[in-house]
Amino acid sequence: DQQVKQNSPSLSVQEGRISILNCDYTNSMFDYFLWYKKYPAEGPTFLISISSIKDKNEDGRFTVFLNKSAKHLSLHIVPSQPGDSAVYFCAASEGSARQLTFGSGTQLTVLP
Amino acid sequence: ETGVTQSPTHLIKTRGQQVTLRCSSQSGHNTVSWYQQALGQGPQFIFQYYREEENGRGNFPPRFSGLQFPNYSSELNVNALELDDSALYLCASSSPRSQETQYFGPGTRLLVL
Repeated sequence: DQQVKQNSPSLSVQEGRISILNCDYTNSMFDYFLWYKKYPAEGPTFLISISSIKDKNEDGRFTVFLNKSAKHLSLHIVPSQPGDSAVYFCAASEGSARQLTFGSGTQLTVLP
Repeated sequence: ETGVTQSPTHLIKTRGQQVTLRCSSQSGHNTVSWYQQALGQGPQFIFQYYREEENGRGNFPPRFSGLQFPNYSSELNVNALELDDSALYLCASSSPRSQETQYFGPGTRLLVL
């Protein structure tokens, strides 16, 4: 029973264009959402997060949108760069332990 | 500022053996969480330590155990290793002021033969 789903295993985008990565969740108790980027042979790197009381958060080229009624969040990267090529994980947390529940990841490839 | 570090980077064990993985949290971080990442999947929460006590546990059997030390570093111990324990083990730490955001180490790749 996957509580966090990333339905697209892979995404290819041209350099300079927008990358949109999507994530759906089923647990309505999740109140904090994060995106991580992972290169091979490295641990996940924190990118950006959003609290459930907001619907948008921006940090430079990265914007996360949260639609609570649809239980959906997305990460927009504009403009996309070849160095953005990595696996992107969506994660959600709840409760005092703040344990993270991850999706299965989306491999983003930015083509030069 | 030193990030999260883990040791060893790689490890090979045989079925039935025991293994200990180590993690040093980022400076100023007092909470450590451990995750298991199998190939092609997202990380799965094993357990979390706060003030040297277990503070939450995922769906892992008791042969997965841990410790946190006064300097906030942590160990993950796995007894009676099984082939399915082969995975990347990730440690993450978070600070008292921002417990929602966890910062990950590079992981330990464990292979059980």
